[in-house]
Amino acid sequence: DIQMTQSPSSLSASVGDRVTITCRASQSIGDYLNWYQHKPGKAPRLLIFAASSLQGGAPSRFSGSGSGTEFTLTISSLQPEDFATYFCQQSYSTPITFGPGTKVDLK
Amino acid sequence: QVQLQESGPGLVKPSETLSLTCTVSGGSISSQYWSWIRQPPGKGLEWIGYSYYSGSTNYNPYLKSRVTISVDTSKNQFSLKLTSVTAADTAVYYCARGGHSPYDWWGQGTQVTVSS
Repeated sequence: DIQMTQSPSSLSASVGDRVTITCRASQSIGDYLNWYQHKPGKAPRLLIFAASSLQGGAPSRFSGSGSGTEFTLTISSLQPEDFATYFCQQSYSTPITFGPGTKVDLK
Repeated sequence: QVQLQESGPGLVKPSETLSLTCTVSGGSISSQYWSWIRQPPGKGLEWIGYSYYSGSTNYNPYLKSRVTISVDTSKNQFSLKLTSVTAADTAVYYCARGGHSPYDWWGQGTQVTVSS
């Protein structure tokens, strides 16, 4: 199975901050990496697919980069509605696996 | 937009079968893959498996012996059955659109507790 890790596990930030989250895969997954936003009690939301493609409807302040085993999600200017948990997912091979999540809260 | 809604019992007894349904609205269930994912308390997301609308499936090997995912195109629904449940199956269960791909639409999740 491909293991996914994320760092940091949590971070505190202020509105307007630039935020970067890292996701690592235990083996190369090409660009088969997706990022989601999840708020408590809500459906998770796809933000980025194929490592760097912005999902329709996702704000342009979200961007993704990377390939192989290391990936990043960047929020260019954190907005109040961005406080949430972010997790990555590899869709390269089954079993599909997810990162443990990064919780972004208010400093 | 597509909406997914999970439904089913919130409490299941040990050794019994967990059964959940996901109702899809705002789009057709046909020509798509449909998945189930769960999150045990305090743990990360675990992929359970997916089914194509036509019936072909792919399951997590760790659950494969106990899982069945099926699609009912007439009702625009798909379902999950997990047999012989234990406390370790207590989790929030999510349905989502997608298979071996990004999951572009998710339900908001339903809590299932396994307890006598």
